[in-house]
Amino acid sequence: AQSVTQLGSHVSVSEGALVLLRCNYSSSVPPYLFWYVQYPNQGLQLLLKYTTGATLVKGINGFEAEFKKSETSFHLTKPSAHMSDAAEYFCAVSDPGAGNMLTFGGGTRLMVKP
Amino acid sequence: EAGVAQSPRYKIIEKRQSVAFWCNPISGHATLYWYQQILGQGPKLLIQFQNNGVVDDSQLPKDRFSAERLKGVDSTLKIQPAKLEDSAVYLCASRSEGAGDTQYFGPGTRLTVL
Repeated sequence: AQSVTQLGSHVSVSEGALVLLRCNYSSSVPPYLFWYVQYPNQGLQLLLKYTTGATLVKGINGFEAEFKKSETSFHLTKPSAHMSDAAEYFCAVSDPGAGNMLTFGGGTRLMVKP
Repeated sequence: EAGVAQSPRYKIIEKRQSVAFWCNPISGHATLYWYQQILGQGPKLLIQFQNNGVVDDSQLPKDRFSAERLKGVDSTLKIQPAKLEDSAVYLCASRSEGAGDTQYFGPGTRLTVL
């Protein structure tokens, strides 16, 4: 079985500061890893994903994440927060051999202070 | 390219009533998922279809929930009878055939059971 743990249900940063959202996973097979963002009253939008190849993945809106197998982590970062980044962020893992079903973490709400 | 469509966007019902949600996936996407997202939590998979066949429904409460995708395109999720704990956002997602392909999410249906 797969699982995802997001450390910190709420993260608050100042505008212009570094954003770091933590994600650790457990999987018995090499996973595919995803970060999704959810704005209020909207569905989930893909930020970035790791499947194979380069472990540093760049996504939309200046976000990036690094797959670290030894640490079973896939933390999301952005060098400089913008007010528009305030949203809920979800890390997810899928098992390519099991229908690619996504297992989500509990989410981290990012708040950006002016 | 049109996204995943869902309707209605909001629904309020009394407990023990029935309700149905509709999803139209992205054209050509063979795989369709229904997720339940309880407030403050990550989405949880309810059921996965491949074309018009069920791939996984192990987490679907089959005593009250049912889903179908008769022609391999649109899908309907039904709850009968609804309970208070069914209050949640119901998200539909679709994906094309590639193993690492992205799941695209609809805007969701917010269900409130009173």
